[in-house]
Amino acid sequence: AQSVSQHNHHVILSEAASLELGCNYSYGGTVNLFWYVQYPGQHLQLLLKYFSGDPLVKGIKGFEAEFIKSKFSFNLRKPSVQWSDTAEYFCAVNQYSSASKIIFGSGTRLSIRP
Amino acid sequence: EAGVTQFPSHSVIEKGQTVTLRCDPISGHDNLYWYRRVMGKEIKFLLHFVKESKQDESGMPNNRFLAERTGGTYSTLKVQPAELEDSGVYFCASSQARTSGGYNEQFFGPGTRLTVL
Repeated sequence: AQSVSQHNHHVILSEAASLELGCNYSYGGTVNLFWYVQYPGQHLQLLLKYFSGDPLVKGIKGFEAEFIKSKFSFNLRKPSVQWSDTAEYFCAVNQYSSASKIIFGSGTRLSIRP
Repeated sequence: EAGVTQFPSHSVIEKGQTVTLRCDPISGHDNLYWYRRVMGKEIKFLLHFVKESKQDESGMPNNRFLAERTGGTYSTLKVQPAELEDSGVYFCASSQARTSGGYNEQFFGPGTRLTVL
């Protein structure tokens, strides 16, 4: 069955700390990979995506993620977090070159102490 | 350009009642999706329209849920009769008809929070 696993439900960090959120997926075939973010009171929005090419992708607000095909992983990183990064982060996957459904992980709530 | 809009933002109903949620996709987007997040769990796919046709309804939980997209524009999701376990946030998303470079971004609405008492 297709699934996405996020390793942490709730992460608490101080400002300027480094961040890494783990994500593993189980999906047959070639995939697109995403990280979505939902800031408090706002829409779910795309943070970054991978569909081909360089496995290290950069997104908005200084976030990046690395696709490691052999490990079925797509971990999200940021070298120095800010209080404004407080949000819920979702790893997700769908079938490559398709308008098919997205399969989401359960989300990681990130709280940043000022 | 207006994004995906959903109405209402919040609905509180009693068990056994009927509720209809509405989604207006981005203009010109042929693909429309419904997702649901039950408290504390993952966002789960419900169904996918291409224009007015149901492309994939594999995520619909049971026959109490009815989705329509007449004319291929806005969509409604009706729950009748509502049960306690239907409580959650219902998201709508839309995307363009064609994929570009292997990727087709889905744009999400703000969600409707449904509470069934």
